[in-house]
Amino acid sequence: AQSVSQHNHHVILSEAASLELGCNYSYGGTVNLFWYVQYPGQHLQLLLKYFSGDPLVKGIKGFEAEFIKSKFSFNLRKPSVQWSDTAEYFCAVRRSGNTGKLIFGQGTTLQVKP
Amino acid sequence: DTAVSQTPKYLVTQMGNDKSIKCEQNLGHDTMYWYKQDSKKFLKIMFSYNNKELIINETVPNRFSPKSPDKAHLNLHINSLELGDSAVYFCASSPPRSSGGNEQFFGPGTRLTVL
Repeated sequence: AQSVSQHNHHVILSEAASLELGCNYSYGGTVNLFWYVQYPGQHLQLLLKYFSGDPLVKGIKGFEAEFIKSKFSFNLRKPSVQWSDTAEYFCAVRRSGNTGKLIFGQGTTLQVKP
Repeated sequence: DTAVSQTPKYLVTQMGNDKSIKCEQNLGHDTMYWYKQDSKKFLKIMFSYNNKELIINETVPNRFSPKSPDKAHLNLHINSLELGDSAVYFCASSPPRSSGGNEQFFGPGTRLTVL
């Protein structure tokens, strides 16, 4: 069955530390890839997305992600986190050409200590 | 200027009751979705409608019935509520594929607690 795995369930970092959150998916066809963020008590917001082209995509708030097709991965990175980055991060995959259904990973809780 | 709105934000009810959650989007999108986020924060799609037509139904119990009176609204009605229905329910919408954008925009969520 198609799945999305986020390896880190809970990450604790100090401010200014670098961040990398892993995301792997199991589907072998063409995919669209997304990272969403959910700040405490808020709805999901799109951080960045990959459809095609340059596999290194830049999103909002200094986040970026790299699509590595051979590894079925779409890891999220930020060189220097801030306390305000404390949130839940979700990787999501959509199979190209299907009905638009997003398959989400189980989420990673990021806690940034001031 | 709310894009995707849901009501109510919180819903506390007894087992066996019937309740509805409403969703509206003012983005002009054609496709709307319902997702369920469980206590472990896992998000899973339940339904999707495109121009009032059901296109995704993910093995959800038939106690859950979505209703789309027009393409800007997708309501979720739940009959005979069970403890396991307690979760946060998110509505989302997305523009047509032809516009080139298939990002989904999410509502603020409805936290349902079944006692």
